[in-house]
Amino acid sequence: KQEVTQIPAALSVPEGENLVLNCSFTDSAIYNLQWFRQDPGKGLTSLLLIQSSQREQTSGRLNASLDKSSGRSTLYIAASQPGDSATYLCAVRLYGGSQGNLIFGKGTKLSVKP
Amino acid sequence: SQTIHQWPATLVQPVGSPLSLECTVEGTSNPNLYWYRQAAGRGLQLLFYSVGIGQISSEVPQNLSASRPQDRQFILSSKKLLLSDSGFYLCAWSVADTGELFFGEGSRLTVL
Repeated sequence: KQEVTQIPAALSVPEGENLVLNCSFTDSAIYNLQWFRQDPGKGLTSLLLIQSSQREQTSGRLNASLDKSSGRSTLYIAASQPGDSATYLCAVRLYGGSQGNLIFGKGTKLSVKP
Repeated sequence: SQTIHQWPATLVQPVGSPLSLECTVEGTSNPNLYWYRQAAGRGLQLLFYSVGIGQISSEVPQNLSASRPQDRQFILSSKKLLLSDSGFYLCAWSVADTGELFFGEGSRLTVL
């Protein structure tokens, strides 16, 4: 059974710091991996999608990497800002299984202090 | 561009009352549609998904049902709510070729 783990559950950093959020998964047979951001009381916003054949994706100050062999993905945030404060979730989509069933981690709650 | 709308945003209902949450997607045709529930400390759980009008698959046996009366409309319903139905409900749609998932703003349901 695929499990997705995000450690740490919470992270607090000063503004301007570069940081890395971690996501690990137990089954390397994934179709893709997606990173989301969730603000309190809001829906999820898609940040980056990495297909299984890709190693990384970049969008602005965000860079996500994927290493299927080790079952890991990282989300790198450069020059963090208070507006980056949110919960970040990763999710993997499996080959086969129920269509549309992403397996989500429980998220890392990021707080960027001014 | 594609947008997804979900309503109501907040709902407080007594136990035993019915429920209807609606979701519509604009700017795309024949999307895959999903209902997720997010409970505190339990992460996101897929409840239903649909690949076309009238085609509904249930992932978890529960007190809820879903319907897709139109291509871009997805409805989550219950005839009689339970306390355990409280939670944050999220509608989503996916791009067929990449599988990227996009979420609505969510509906907070409190059952008293």
